Amino acid sequence: GENVEQHPSTLSVQEGDSAVIKCTYSDSASNYFPWYKQELGKRPQLIIDIRSNVGEKKDQRIAVTLNKTAKHFSLHITETQPEDSAVYFCAANTKTSYDKVIFGPGTSLSVIP
Amino acid sequence: NAGVTQTPKFQVLKTGQSMTLQCAQDMNHNSMYWYRQDPGMGLRLIYYSASEGTTDKGEVPNGYNVSRLNKREFSLRLESAAPSQTSVYFCASTNRGSNQPQHFGDGTRLSIL
Repeated sequence: GENVEQHPSTLSVQEGDSAVIKCTYSDSASNYFPWYKQELGKRPQLIIDIRSNVGEKKDQRIAVTLNKTAKHFSLHITETQPEDSAVYFCAANTKTSYDKVIFGPGTSLSVIP
Repeated sequence: NAGVTQTPKFQVLKTGQSMTLQCAQDMNHNSMYWYRQDPGMGLRLIYYSASEGTTDKGEVPNGYNVSRLNKREFSLRLESAAPSQTSVYFCASTNRGSNQPQHFGDGTRLSIL
């Protein structure tokens, strides 16, 4: 079945450094790849998404890259701040329904002041 | 505009008890979803409803039933609660076929003793 893998599971960086989270997906028909941030005890919230017709998208300190040939996509956070500390989930939609996404297991990011 | 509203926020049940988790959205979205979130396992899809009047099983449907009461409301029922169903449950909604991000409720924290 469809699967999304995510690495690393935990990540600690110094404030001001960059953080990179990588995901791979199995369904070659996937064409929508959102990233969600979940702070402790809160709901997941979308921070950025990318569609298969582009290879990179940037929003201030956050960027996402997509390699459809290799079936992997990555989240890049530059100039990290303590408020970036959270769990980040990648996801990919599936060919059975473009309304359904499969989530990765999450990456717990800690930004050390 | 409240977005996605879930009730209750917290619940403790005894094994064998039944209960219904309620979810309502006011964004006129067609598709609605129920997820459970367990430590280290990300968000796993229990059931989803692509449109009013339709429901489909997700990854982990056993022990649950759902009802898409109307376009706004999508409920999740545990007929006979088991300790393995202790989890945080999230409801989400999105527009069908538009590759738009999912909007999540605040979650229901459910403990089964």
